[in-house]
Amino acid sequence: DGGITQSPKYLFRKEGQNVTLSCEQNLNHDAMYWYRQDPGQGLRLIYYSQIVNDFQKGDIAEGYSVSREKKESFPLTVTSAQKNPTAFYLCASSPRGLAGVVKDIQYFGAGTRLSVL
Amino acid sequence: GESVGLHLPTLSVQEGDNSIINCAYSNSASDYFIWYKQESGKGPQFIIDIRSNMDKRQGQRVTVLLNKTVKHLSLQIAATQPGDSAVYFCAENINGGSQGNLIFGKGTKLSVKP
Repeated sequence: DGGITQSPKYLFRKEGQNVTLSCEQNLNHDAMYWYRQDPGQGLRLIYYSQIVNDFQKGDIAEGYSVSREKKESFPLTVTSAQKNPTAFYLCASSPRGLAGVVKDIQYFGAGTRLSVL
Repeated sequence: GESVGLHLPTLSVQEGDNSIINCAYSNSASDYFIWYKQESGKGPQFIIDIRSNMDKRQGQRVTVLLNKTVKHLSLQIAATQPGDSAVYFCAENINGGSQGNLIFGKGTKLSVKP
């Protein structure tokens, strides 16, 4: 099946711990995105990447880090600097990146729910 | 899964009725709009999109209307079914944005009564 796979579905973080959320896509999409969703709020952009080995901060990047070593993968690390990490994290991808305006549909994974112990 | 619909505007409709969900977007330069459906504990699913050179687009049981004069977008669902119960939100893309970044609304929770 083609799509976007996020893992794990549920994740618990201890104080002072870094945790990494996985996002893999087999859609051959260029662009990938990470969003945070809190109850009653819209999706907020954390980081995005339009091409391998390049990524940009979104609106709420503080306390998070990403890498894009492969086209298929865009892992998100929630660092200990993120003081309020409890949220639902969504990864998305879309088919065009640089060398053209990206105005395509973003397709989402099923999400990872992160909680603090 | 945990609800993502807390404190959202709620629309309650009877099964079989038509539903209209509204969205006011923020930027007059936005030229591309998407409606997503999100069921509890799941990721958003694409429903329908529309570009600013159109004012109406129809899909299967859904219609999106765009009024650029008042920066308003609506999603109409015909013959609403229990499976349509979810949070619906619109997203806009601002003209000239090279990153394809979408700005998402907060959403409306649709509840369908059997």
